[in-house]
Amino acid sequence: NAGVTQTPKFRVLKTGQSMTLLCAQDMNHEYMYWYRQDPGMGLRLIHYSVGEGTTAKGEVPDGYNVSRLKKQNFLLGLESAAPSQTSVYFCASSYRDYTNEQFFGPGTRLTVL
Amino acid sequence: EDQVTQSPEALRLQEGESSSLNCSYTVSGLRGLFWYRQDPGKGPEFLFTLYSAGEEKEKERLKATLTKKESFLHITAPKPEDSATYLCAVPIAFQGAQKLVFGQGTRLTINP
Repeated sequence: NAGVTQTPKFRVLKTGQSMTLLCAQDMNHEYMYWYRQDPGMGLRLIHYSVGEGTTAKGEVPDGYNVSRLKKQNFLLGLESAAPSQTSVYFCASSYRDYTNEQFFGPGTRLTVL
Repeated sequence: EDQVTQSPEALRLQEGESSSLNCSYTVSGLRGLFWYRQDPGKGPEFLFTLYSAGEEKEKERLKATLTKKESFLHITAPKPEDSATYLCAVPIAFQGAQKLVFGQGTRLTINP
């Protein structure tokens, strides 16, 4: 089992460009999450999904959109990147809700110039 | 306000020197406390879940304990490969559901 995978691993964007981060899990988990990790801020929840076809906003959703068309995939989109979105992005999944442990992907390091 | 605070921010030990990391929380109705390990450039890796005060869990040189206000991660006779950032997290109420709130982490360095 690959667990949780993320693509790409690194990306550099110019302000105003768009991109999509892909997360895939092969554990048949219902819940999936996108976090960003910044120095001194810890991990913060951007968006999450409680099942195929569902999405919900986390604590820092502005400037991001998500989709979960298939149970195993969770996409994070940046429509118009800003320097404030420079961060490391982690995808995670869990079998059910927050009382279950979350399994994290390796991360995507994004720099917006 | 629901909060999770970890201390110290950084800890440097010699190989074999045992110590403890602290995670204090102010959450009503605790629904679990999670410990993760994060190596540089990688995603957090799940270690333990604790659900009730008095509960303890062990894995190799690590033992996690839980009280009503805090959790400790005890490291016994650590080795250099135990060097990592250790994160704790608790679920809190959020918009009618729950979200996982992470502490800032403790960066542990074990010198040979």
